[in-house]
Amino acid sequence: GQQVMQIPQYQHVQEGEDFTTYCNSSTTLSNIQWYKQRPGGHPVFLIQLVKSGEVKKQKRLTFQFGEAKKNSSLHITATQTTDVGTYFCAGLIYGGATNKLIFGTGTLLAVQP
Amino acid sequence: GAGVSQTPSNKVTEKGKYVELRCDPISGHTALYWYRQSLGQGPEFLIYFQGTGAADDSGLPNDRFFAVRPEGSVSTLKIQRTERGDSAVYLCASSLREGLEQYFGPGTRLTVT
Repeated sequence: GQQVMQIPQYQHVQEGEDFTTYCNSSTTLSNIQWYKQRPGGHPVFLIQLVKSGEVKKQKRLTFQFGEAKKNSSLHITATQTTDVGTYFCAGLIYGGATNKLIFGTGTLLAVQP
Repeated sequence: GAGVSQTPSNKVTEKGKYVELRCDPISGHTALYWYRQSLGQGPEFLIYFQGTGAADDSGLPNDRFFAVRPEGSVSTLKIQRTERGDSAVYLCASSLREGLEQYFGPGTRLTVT
């Protein structure tokens, strides 16, 4: 079936270090969305990428969508303790009549002050 | 305005019982989604409504699961003859229309004993 994998599963960094999570899909995606889920919370939308090769920035966060629209990455520069949480990519896959969002396995980020 | 709300926040039930989980989406959002999230996993797609109709129910695990959205707003996820494996957090999300960012509710934590 359709799968969206993320690596690493878990990353522990010192505050101020950079962090990157990678997302790979077995299927070409219509778009890719990124969500952040704080411990005990629910997923919160961060950004959506639509075009092949697209790069978007949000302050210290940089998001990329691969040329083949099958992979994506999120890079955080100079992590802060507020960045703690699980980052999910979610690929929008066309399923015939509808588009379906398939969530990745997530990367849990721990930031040590 | 108000975000997505879900009730109850927690539900403990005995194996074999019937449960209903409610989702109240953001006003005006035509698309409504149900997901199931187990500990350490990403949200798993269950069903998607566009208006009143289930546009994609391919994620429902079996015929014990059913969902309705009779008036195109509030939705109810119904689980018959609950099993211990149904224990998870059930998340609801809505979006203005298909393919756009999704806004998640706080979830209902279902525990089947």
